[in-house]
Amino acid sequence: NAGVTQTPKFQVLKTGQSMTLQCAQDMNHEYMSWYRQDPGMGLRLIHYSVGAGITDQGEVPNGYNVSRSTTEDFPLRLLSAAPSQTSVYFCASSGVAYGYTFGSGTRLTVV
Amino acid sequence: ELKVEQNPLFLSMQEEKNYTIYCNYSTTSDRLYWYRQDPGKSLESLFVLLSNGAVKQEGRLMASLDTKARLSTLHITAAVHDLSATYFCAVNGNEKLTFGTGTRLTIIP
Repeated sequence: NAGVTQTPKFQVLKTGQSMTLQCAQDMNHEYMSWYRQDPGMGLRLIHYSVGAGITDQGEVPNGYNVSRSTTEDFPLRLLSAAPSQTSVYFCASSGVAYGYTFGSGTRLTVV
Repeated sequence: ELKVEQNPLFLSMQEEKNYTIYCNYSTTSDRLYWYRQDPGKSLESLFVLLSNGAVKQEGRLMASLDTKARLSTLHITAAVHDLSATYFCAVNGNEKLTFGTGTRLTIIP
């Protein structure tokens, strides 16, 4: 009953460093997405994918890259971390039943 | 661009009282979601509303959808402390899920 698995749960980066946030789902969902959550702003969509090999930008894509080589995995890459990217990141997947399943989140601090 | 507005942003309620959270959205959508989030936790799905007039209930929570008014409500009946959390509505449009800013609900004994 894994659902959506995100790693790591916590991460501290220095400004300018790069890293990849991992997201994997075992429900065979075609749709996957990444959100960031900042205090008082709800969740904002970064990137999403409707299937393997297909990705598109959301509301706040700058500074982030994604790829979708398999149905199961949807990693989010920070190219050169900035303090403005300090946030909590959630990955979500959705299948034919319309519901979205969220991962447990990654709390990222950029110093 | 789809915009989702929730109100109120903060809500303090006494136990056993009733209250309603409102969610307005700006463009036509076929799906509306309600989520609960506890501090430091992920989002827990409460309701998925798929059609005009849809009403769903789970315990002390009831959600409804009026697609013509572009309005959803989350009604809390006889609140209890366990319902203290932040509640989000989210609307699906063009394969993107747009969230409201959330309502932080605090139940006061």
